[in-house]
Amino acid sequence: NAGVTQTPKFRVLKTGQSMTLLCAQDMNHEYMYWYRQDPGMGLRLIHYSVGEGTTAKGEVPDGYNVSRLKKQNFLLGLESAAPSQTSVYFCASIQGPTQYFGPGTRLTVL
Amino acid sequence: DQQVKQNSPSLSVQEGRISILNCDYTNSMFDYFLWYKKYPAEGPTFLISISSIKDKNEDGRFTVFLNKSAKHLSLHIVPSQPGDSAVYFCAASAYSGTYKYIFGTGTRLKVLA
Repeated sequence: NAGVTQTPKFRVLKTGQSMTLLCAQDMNHEYMYWYRQDPGMGLRLIHYSVGEGTTAKGEVPDGYNVSRLKKQNFLLGLESAAPSQTSVYFCASIQGPTQYFGPGTRLTVL
Repeated sequence: DQQVKQNSPSLSVQEGRISILNCDYTNSMFDYFLWYKKYPAEGPTFLISISSIKDKNEDGRFTVFLNKSAKHLSLHIVPSQPGDSAVYFCAASAYSGTYKYIFGTGTRLKVLA
């Protein structure tokens, strides 16, 4: 039982490049979330999903897209990366009110 | 407008003593609160939670207190251990079909041996 995993762990992009972050969970949770964490700030919700095939916007969705084609996977895409998207990205799945987080992806956009 | 505030960015405590981490919120609709602990290069891990129908919840060395009238919650760690050194986040949610949490900015706790 791996819990919540994220790939990749680190990535450096140039401005304008695209990439996809993968979140996978093996706990059969319906709800999955993507957050970003920036220095001096709490985690901010980007997008979330309440089940396979559904997605919704969170607090800071601009510049990101998501897909939940399979229950266990939640993908976060950056179509045209910007330096403002340099951050640490965390995925979480939820059982009841409790969130279980992945280890994070550190993304740098130059 | 920051709805969840952790006004102390850092806290140092001697091993064996009590650590008290504080969190204030502004939204009276919040009905569920959690504390997370985060080590460097790892994701946050769930520590303890409390719903708005309670004013206290204990789990081993960890106790969370909720004062709804003051819109304040606190996490007490007794006794503090060096392994407790981490960043602690509080988070609050107002259930509206799903849980969407607002996080504080975190308090870095250092327990001195």
